[in-house]
Amino acid sequence: LAKTTQPISMDSYEGQEVNITCSHNNIATNDYITWYQQFPSQGPRFIIQGYKTKVTNEVASLFIPADRKSSTLSLPRVSLSDTAVYYCLVGDYTGNQFYFGTGTSLTVIP
Amino acid sequence: GAGVSQTPSNKVTEKGKYVELRCDPISGHTALYWYRQSLGQGPEFLIYFQGTGAADDSGLPNDRFFAVRPEGSVSTLKIQRTERGDSAVYLCASSLTPLSGRRTDTQYFGPGTRLTVL
Repeated sequence: LAKTTQPISMDSYEGQEVNITCSHNNIATNDYITWYQQFPSQGPRFIIQGYKTKVTNEVASLFIPADRKSSTLSLPRVSLSDTAVYYCLVGDYTGNQFYFGTGTSLTVIP
Repeated sequence: GAGVSQTPSNKVTEKGKYVELRCDPISGHTALYWYRQSLGQGPEFLIYFQGTGAADDSGLPNDRFFAVRPEGSVSTLKIQRTERGDSAVYLCASSLTPLSGRRTDTQYFGPGTRLTVL
């Protein structure tokens, strides 16, 4: 099981770029890296997924180095509404895609 | 469009009682997942269905927990002889069957059912 390690919490000012790094030293060849966002009293919401190098969508970017033992979620110009818990998951379709860990609680400060 | 729905949104019960929690996945999604989440913790995996069958039930904590999905759509999580430690938010998610054999599904979550065992 490819466990993940993330910082427990982070603070950022509005308008700044936020980078959250996740360590997954035991990632397997078939594993993808997926990030979810969760607001209080809601279920998690998919943000982005990648396998290697860089992936970008309208919400975030995901940077994955060549060894794939870590990944960094980048949120450009955060706003107060980005205050949430962010989870990094590692796994493939056969399983192991279910381990959320404790996530990173991001607080955006005005 | 309709997302994943869960009923009830809140359930209060007494220790020792039986409860059922319902999940309606997104139409056409063949995979369905149950998680539970305690305050300050991430979602904890319980069980995963592919169609009508439980593909992975390794997360069910004990034999008081059981889940069914008889027609491959709606699922019910059943908890017998509830205990105070069962109090949590129970989350359901669904996803499409992967188009290829390798990609991880994107899971779409419902709002959860908050279970309180007194």
